[in-house]
Amino acid sequence: AQSVTQPDIHITVSEGASLELRCNYSYGATPYLFWYVQSPGQGLQLLLKYFSGDTLVQGIKGFEAEFKRSQSSFNLRKPSVHWSDAAEYFCAVGAVTNAGKSTFGDGTTLTVKP
Amino acid sequence: DVKVTQSSRYLVKRTGEKVFLECVQDMDHENMFWYRQDPGLGLRLIYFSYDVKMKEKGDIPEGYSVSREKKERFSLILESASTNQTSMYLCASSFMAYEQYFGPGTRLTVT
Repeated sequence: AQSVTQPDIHITVSEGASLELRCNYSYGATPYLFWYVQSPGQGLQLLLKYFSGDTLVQGIKGFEAEFKRSQSSFNLRKPSVHWSDAAEYFCAVGAVTNAGKSTFGDGTTLTVKP
Repeated sequence: DVKVTQSSRYLVKRTGEKVFLECVQDMDHENMFWYRQDPGLGLRLIYFSYDVKMKEKGDIPEGYSVSREKKERFSLILESASTNQTSMYLCASSFMAYEQYFGPGTRLTVT
C-alpha cells in the first residue's frame, strides 16, 4: 500500500525567506508524485508533478521539487516566499496499479510573516 | 481551460434530509472522486468512479452513495443527512493515475 507523510503540520516563514516543505512516501515502484496547494475555502490546485525523467521538476508560482529515490522524498522548495503563498500544501502519490487513485498527505499549513 | 464545477459552494440542510451534491467535469476524464475534508483529518476518499455506472468505495463510504449516469457528472448522495456529515466536500477528476483536477468545494452544514 502506498502512503505519504508530511512531517510538518505548520510552518511559519518570513516574506522573502526560502521555503522547504517535506514529503516522504512509501511505494514499491516508481510513483507518480504531486504537490497541490489549497487556499482557504477553495479546492486544491496542482503545483507540480513528477512521473519520470529529470528528478528536479519546476512548477507554477516559482515552486520546484526534487525527487530523491534513495530517501523516498519529494520535497517542495521556493527560494523567496511571497505573502500570497500562505496556504495549505498537500503532497500526494499515485500509481497506475492503484486504479488511478492518489494517496494524500495530511497537509502542511504555511504562514508567511510580513 | 480544464474545469470541475460543483453545484453549490455552501449548503445548509436539516438532519434526516436527502442531500445531493453534484459535480461536472469538462475534460472527458474517466476517473472521478468525492472527498471530504475536515480540520486535522486531511482529505478522505468517500467514493471513486472509474467509468460510467462503475464505482468503488473509498475509505469512508458509510452514510453516502454515488451515481454516475454520464461520464461528465458524478453525484454524491447523503441518504439521510446527519450532523457528523457537516464538512467540506471536494470533487475531483483525472485521466488515469495522473494529476487530479479539483472543484471549488461545497461546504455543507447539517443542523
